[in-house]
Amino acid sequence: GNSVTQMEGPVTLSEEAFLTINCTYTATGYPSLFWYVQYPGEGLQLLLKATKADDKGSNKGFEATYRKETTSFHLEKGSVQVSDSAVYFCALSPPGVVGGGSNYKLTFGKGTLLTVNP
Amino acid sequence: EPEVTQTPSHQVTQMGQEVILRCVPISNHLYFYWYRQILGQKVEFLVSFYNNEISEKSEIFDDQFSVERPDGSNFTLKIRSTKLEDSAMYFCASKGANTGELFFGEGSRLTVL
Repeated sequence: GNSVTQMEGPVTLSEEAFLTINCTYTATGYPSLFWYVQYPGEGLQLLLKATKADDKGSNKGFEATYRKETTSFHLEKGSVQVSDSAVYFCALSPPGVVGGGSNYKLTFGKGTLLTVNP
Repeated sequence: EPEVTQTPSHQVTQMGQEVILRCVPISNHLYFYWYRQILGQKVEFLVSFYNNEISEKSEIFDDQFSVERPDGSNFTLKIRSTKLEDSAMYFCASKGANTGELFFGEGSRLTVL
């Protein structure tokens, strides 16, 4: 079955440090890959996504590249801010159902808590 | 900006009691979901709902669980007789017709004593 493994947290960084949160997946075919973020007291929000191999998703200074050869989708940011403190979830959806369908569902990783100190 | 809202934010209940978690999805969305996260574990899919019926459910979603869309706006998750292991954060999500993005609520934390 499908599965997602992301690095264990918590991760604590100083402001302006470089961030990497590793994510690898197991799936048949070409799933779509996502990073969700949960800020304190809020719901899960889509941060970025990639739907095919070698695609790079980017948003708010965060980037992740879909690497089929290493089955990875690592999240990176060059210079983190205190406001980036949140829990980050890597997720995948089965191939072929990104655009719709009632059988669309996500498989999540455990989440990584990031704390950025001033 | 439209959002998914969930109530209550936190509920504490005794084992064996019935619990109803409520969700108001985004108004023009057609697909509805419940996920849960037991503390320290992964966010897990529970059930998806479309056209007034369950379209898929996981092994977790046994006979103790049910979902309903009673009035065209609310989407509820009922646990008939709660167990200690039902303690978790429950997330509601909704999705539009032709988009792959799920919109999640803030979650309802359920604590079963």
